[in-house]
Amino acid sequence: AQSVTQLDSQVPVFEEAPVELRCNYSSSVSVYLFWYVQYPNQGLQLLLKYLSGSTLVESINGFEAEFNKSQTSFHLRKPSVHISDTAEYFCAVRNSGNTPLVFGKGTRLSVIA
Amino acid sequence: DSGVTQTPKHLITATGQRVTLRCSPRSGDLSVYWYQQSLDQGLQFLIQYYNGEERAKGNILERFSAQQFPDLHSELNLSSLELGDSALYFCASSESTGANYGYTFGSGTRLTVV
Repeated sequence: AQSVTQLDSQVPVFEEAPVELRCNYSSSVSVYLFWYVQYPNQGLQLLLKYLSGSTLVESINGFEAEFNKSQTSFHLRKPSVHISDTAEYFCAVRNSGNTPLVFGKGTRLSVIA
Repeated sequence: DSGVTQTPKHLITATGQRVTLRCSPRSGDLSVYWYQQSLDQGLQFLIQYYNGEERAKGNILERFSAQQFPDLHSELNLSSLELGDSALYFCASSESTGANYGYTFGSGTRLTVV
């Protein structure tokens, strides 16, 4: 069965510093990869996704993630974080076909002023 | 507002009781998914419905059941509740079942069993 590992449960970072949230998935022939963000007391919102094509995908608020097939990774990065980026971030993977999204356990990003 | 509506937002009930959680998917979405979020287990997939039919089952206990109605809303029924069932229950919807379709999540129902 597919699985997702988010290596860091908590990541504190100072405002305007860069950040990387790590995500590894178990290998599969073809996968679709997603990052979701959950702000306090809210549901999950799609941040970005990789379906095919360019291995680097970007979100509208400055996050990017790179699909690395050889390392089975899909790490999320932002060059300069803001206080408003404080949230929990979930990596998720889905195989082709009708398999449901499998989520990692999440990484809590805390941006410090 | 994501377009996925979950009610109630909060629910407090006693052990042994039964509750029903309701989800209205985003307009046009045929597929509904239920997830349980707890601190120790993270987000666990429970069950999926597509246009009224069950399509996939995950780590759903026998005490739990769900259905999707002709108007596409879905209900998750939890019975013989235990303290360990306390969690956030999320509903998500998607346009179809294909793997390239992302999910739209509701804001969840926080269930507290006392």
